[in-house]
Amino acid sequence: AQSVSQHNHHVILSEAASLELGCNYSYGGTVNLFWYVQYPGQHLQLLLKYFSGDPLVKGIKGFEAEFIKSKFSFNLRKPSVQWSDTAEYFCAVNGNNDMRFGAGTRLTVKP
Amino acid sequence: DAGITQSPRHKVTETGTPVTLRCHQTENHRYMYWYRQDPGHGLRLIHYSYGVKDTDKGEVSDGYSVSRSKTEDFLLTLESATSSQTSVYFCAIRGTGPTTAGNTIYFGEGSWLTVV
Repeated sequence: AQSVSQHNHHVILSEAASLELGCNYSYGGTVNLFWYVQYPGQHLQLLLKYFSGDPLVKGIKGFEAEFIKSKFSFNLRKPSVQWSDTAEYFCAVNGNNDMRFGAGTRLTVKP
Repeated sequence: DAGITQSPRHKVTETGTPVTLRCHQTENHRYMYWYRQDPGHGLRLIHYSYGVKDTDKGEVSDGYSVSRSKTEDFLLTLESATSSQTSVYFCAIRGTGPTTAGNTIYFGEGSWLTVV
């Protein structure tokens, strides 16, 4: 069965710092990869997604992610975080009919 | 807006009682999902449906059943609620259009369930 690992449970950064959140997945076939963000008290919203083509994908709010097939990774990055980026971030993989999520990384950005 | 409505949004129930959560979509999507979200566990798939009367189990299906008698509605039933089922439940849908539109999951607003 497919699975997703997010190694950082809680990341604390100051504004303007760079961000990289790790995501590794386990699945033998072709996958679609996603990052979702959940602001406090809200539902999950799609940040970006990778289906095929250029392994560097750009999403909303200045986020980007790089798919490295040989490492089974799909790390999320942002060059300069803002206080408003404080949220929980979820990596997800879809290889069959279902979609599996990582446990999430809570990002706290200090003003 | 993916046209997903969950009801009820908040519910408190007693241990041992049955509870049904409803997910309604207006987009005629084939795939529908029920997840639960708990601290430290992220989202875990309970059940999903790939068509009317076609459902399958996810990671944490014990104690839950689902039904999909029409495309727009996907019901999640806790047959006999337990305190361990206190959680936030999210319904989601997935399109089946062109590749970049399909295979993307969109979530409802969530249903907060407390079992006392």
